[in-house]
Amino acid sequence: SQTIHQWPATLVQPVGSPLSLECTVEGTSNPNLYWYRQAAGRGLQLLFYSVGIGQISSEVPQNLSASRPQDRQFILSSKKLLLSDSGFYLCAWSVGLRILKQRGGLDTQYFGPGTRLTVL
Amino acid sequence: KNEVEQSPQNLTAQEGEFITINCSYSVGISALHWLQQHPGGGIVSLFMLSSGKKKHGRLIATINIQEKHSSLHITASHPRDSAVYICAVTGGGGADGLTFGKGTHLIIQP
Repeated sequence: SQTIHQWPATLVQPVGSPLSLECTVEGTSNPNLYWYRQAAGRGLQLLFYSVGIGQISSEVPQNLSASRPQDRQFILSSKKLLLSDSGFYLCAWSVGLRILKQRGGLDTQYFGPGTRLTVL
Repeated sequence: KNEVEQSPQNLTAQEGEFITINCSYSVGISALHWLQQHPGGGIVSLFMLSSGKKKHGRLIATINIQEKHSSLHITASHPRDSAVYICAVTGGGGADGLTFGKGTHLIIQP
């Protein structure tokens, strides 16, 4: 069976410090990977998605970046955190494009446990 | 860009009541998702719909593609159903991520 891991679970960082959040998926190959953020009092927002190693699409311009160094690893980073970066960060995966096409292009997304980031 | 609206934002009901949460979207989609978020923050996918109706236990989800509208129903509600229910849509049928509604905070009182 497939599992998705995120760490750390909680993080408190000072403004201006760097950030690295990691997400890994087990039990599947070539997944699509996603980073979402839920800011306090706001809805979920797509930040980045990736269909393969080194392939990153950004939805919202900001001081965050994402990388996919391995097939089942997705990393969210920042060089200098802002107060507005505080929030709940969720990683998710879905089956890859080849299988999506076989299924008619539809698949659910499976969410990780999330990282709660507080920037002070 | 798709605009996803949910109603109501907050709903408090008594145990056993029939619950309906509504979702509408502005642009044609390939799929609509209903998600459940518990107080700890974890999110579980309840349904993915592209047409018609799906049922899982006491939960029923329907979608009307022509009207760009979906509903999530909970029959015989129970306090353990208390959670935030989120409607989300995908557009292109490929790897695009989800566009979310703001969620409905449901509380079921014993």
